[in-house]
Amino acid sequence: GEDVEQSLFLSVREGDSSVINCTYTDSSSTYLYWYKQEPGAGLQLLTYIFSNMDMKQDQRLTVLLNKKDKHLSLRIADTQTGDSAIYFCAESKTAGNMLTFGGGTRLMVKP
Amino acid sequence: DTGVSQNPRHKITKRGQNVTFRCDPISEHNRLYWYRQTLGQGPEFLTYFQNEAQLEKSRLLSDRFSAERPKGSFSTLEIQRTEQGDSAMYLCASSPGTGSANYGYTFGSGTRLTVV
Repeated sequence: GEDVEQSLFLSVREGDSSVINCTYTDSSSTYLYWYKQEPGAGLQLLTYIFSNMDMKQDQRLTVLLNKKDKHLSLRIADTQTGDSAIYFCAESKTAGNMLTFGGGTRLMVKP
Repeated sequence: DTGVSQNPRHKITKRGQNVTFRCDPISEHNRLYWYRQTLGQGPEFLTYFQNEAQLEKSRLLSDRFSAERPKGSFSTLEIQRTEQGDSAMYLCASSPGTGSANYGYTFGSGTRLTVV
């Protein structure tokens, strides 16, 4: 079955880069997503990448995909205190299909 | 359009009671999804609709759970004979469906259920 794993916690200083990692087991995963969840709120889509891509950059966000190792990472440049939240990676096999989420990584940004 | 709307935001109920949650998706989205999120975990898929048709149900969706989307617009999720283990955040999401340039869902803020 599908399994998506993330480390639980990451702490960085304001202005540093943050790198949040994710591994998945299903080689048929086609779409990979990063979501952000702030306390008491729903999930906000940050970015996504197709499995035929290695990298995608969107302003301060860079997604790297190593399909061979089934490893996905999200790099946040110049991390701000407002970036403190829980970050979830998720995968799906087809667009618009069900998502399988990891357990989330809590990012704490210290001033 | 203000996004995906869920009501109520919070629900406290006694064990054994029935509860119903409502989700209003983004109006032009034809797919609607329900997820459950327990504390410290990622969301888990429950079920989804394409218009009014319920296309997939997770094994997590026991017989006590039923979801409807009668006219292909809003959806309701009902839990009968609630148990303490049903306490969770119930998230609704919508998407334009396959073939769209937007491959991500839009999530609502969720309904937090507490069963006492």
